[in-house]
Amino acid sequence: AQSVTQPDIHITVSEGASLELRCNYSYGATPYLFWYVQSPGQGLQLLLKYFSGDTLVQGIKGFEAEFKRSQSSFNLRKPSVHWSDAAEYFCAVVTQGGSEKLVFGKGTKLTVNP
Amino acid sequence: KAGVTQTPRYLIKTRGQQVTLSCSPISGHRSVSWYQQTPGQGLQFLFEYFSETQRNKGNFPGRFSGRQFSNSRSEMNVSTLELGDSALYLCASSEGVTQYFGPGTRLLVL
Repeated sequence: AQSVTQPDIHITVSEGASLELRCNYSYGATPYLFWYVQSPGQGLQLLLKYFSGDTLVQGIKGFEAEFKRSQSSFNLRKPSVHWSDAAEYFCAVVTQGGSEKLVFGKGTKLTVNP
Repeated sequence: KAGVTQTPRYLIKTRGQQVTLSCSPISGHRSVSWYQQTPGQGLQFLFEYFSETQRNKGNFPGRFSGRQFSNSRSEMNVSTLELGDSALYLCASSEGVTQYFGPGTRLLVL
C-alpha cells in the first residue's frame, strides 16, 4: 500500500531563515505528489503539485519542491520564511488508476520565531 | 470561482445521535471526497463520489455513509455517534487529480 512519511513532527526556524520540510513516499510507480498547508482551525490549502516533467516545481507563497525519484522524496523548500508561514504542512500522494484517493503524511508543524 | 463550502462549520452532538454534514464543491467539479482528521490518526480518507456514484471507500465502519446529488453537492452521515468520531471532517472537490479542500466541519461528540 502507498504510504507517505514526514520524518519531522515539529520544526522551529527563525524568521528569514531557509526552510526544508522532508517527505518520502512508498509507491511502485511515479505518483502524483502534493504539498498542502493548514493553518489552525482551517482547511487544507494546496501549495504545489508534481505530476511529471521538470522535477523542480514552484508553488504559491514562494514555496518550491523537488522530486527525486532515486530517493523517493518530494521535499518542500522556502528560501526565507515569514512569520505567516507558521502552520502545519502535509505531503500527500494520489494513487493512480481511476480513483483519486489522497494518502497523507502525518504532517510537520512549523513554528517561526521572530 | 467560489471555493468548496461546508456546512455547518461547528457541531456538538451527544453519543448515539446521528449527524449530517454538507459539502458544496467548486462549480464544475464532479468529484467530491471526504476525509476525517484527528490528532491521533491524522488525515484519513472516508469516501469519494463521482457523478452520484461512490467510487472509492476508506476503512471506516458502516455508520459512516455518504451520497452525492445531481448538482454534485454531497452529504455525509454518521449514525450512532461515538466519542471517537470527534474530528474535523474535510470535504474536497476535484476535476481531475488535484483536490481542493473546504474549511471543514468540526464535530464534537459528548
